[in-house]
Amino acid sequence: GQQVMQIPQYQHVQEGEDFTTYCNSSTTLSNIQWYKQRPGGHPVFLIQLVKSGEVKKQKRLTFQFGEAKKNSSLHITATQTTDVGTYFCAGNNAGNMLTFGGGTRLMVKP
Amino acid sequence: DGGITQSPKYLFRKEGQNVTLSCEQNLNHDAMYWYRQDPGQGLRLIYYSQIVNDFQKGDIAEGYSVSREKKESFPLTVTSAQKNPTAFYLCASSISGSGANVLTFGAGSRLTVL
Repeated sequence: GQQVMQIPQYQHVQEGEDFTTYCNSSTTLSNIQWYKQRPGGHPVFLIQLVKSGEVKKQKRLTFQFGEAKKNSSLHITATQTTDVGTYFCAGNNAGNMLTFGGGTRLMVKP
Repeated sequence: DGGITQSPKYLFRKEGQNVTLSCEQNLNHDAMYWYRQDPGQGLRLIYYSQIVNDFQKGDIAEGYSVSREKKESFPLTVTSAQKNPTAFYLCASSISGSGANVLTFGAGSRLTVL
């Protein structure tokens, strides 16, 4: 079945440093979604990418979808303490259920 | 405010007991889902329902049961057959069952087996 892998599993950064998490699928995806889960909270939708090579920005967050539609990345510029949480990618293949990656837990030192 | 309500937030259970977790949504979404999250891990799909009176097994359905008698409600029963039920359970909904739809999650229910 479809597998979605995320790396790294954990990342500690100093406030102000950049952060990137990578998502790789074993199959070509129709779309990919990104969610953020704050400590003790629930996942909240951030963005969806559909087109090959698509890049979307939300303030300090930049999301990319690979040309082959098998990988994606989330980059945060100049992290802040409010960025703390676990970031999940979730891929969809031709109308099947979303498959979530294992998540990257981001910790930010003030 | 539209959203998803899960209850209880915390639940303790003795081994051998069945427990039912409630999930109610007022978003008028057709599809509803149950996920399990273990510490430091991603979300694994237990069951999903794309329409009232119909539901499908997800990746880890063994030891769980669901019903979808109303559009707004999708309760999950964790049975005594579930060998390791201690986990964080998340209910979600989407406009339809298409994988392209965005999921809205409830706040979760944390189940601990004593």
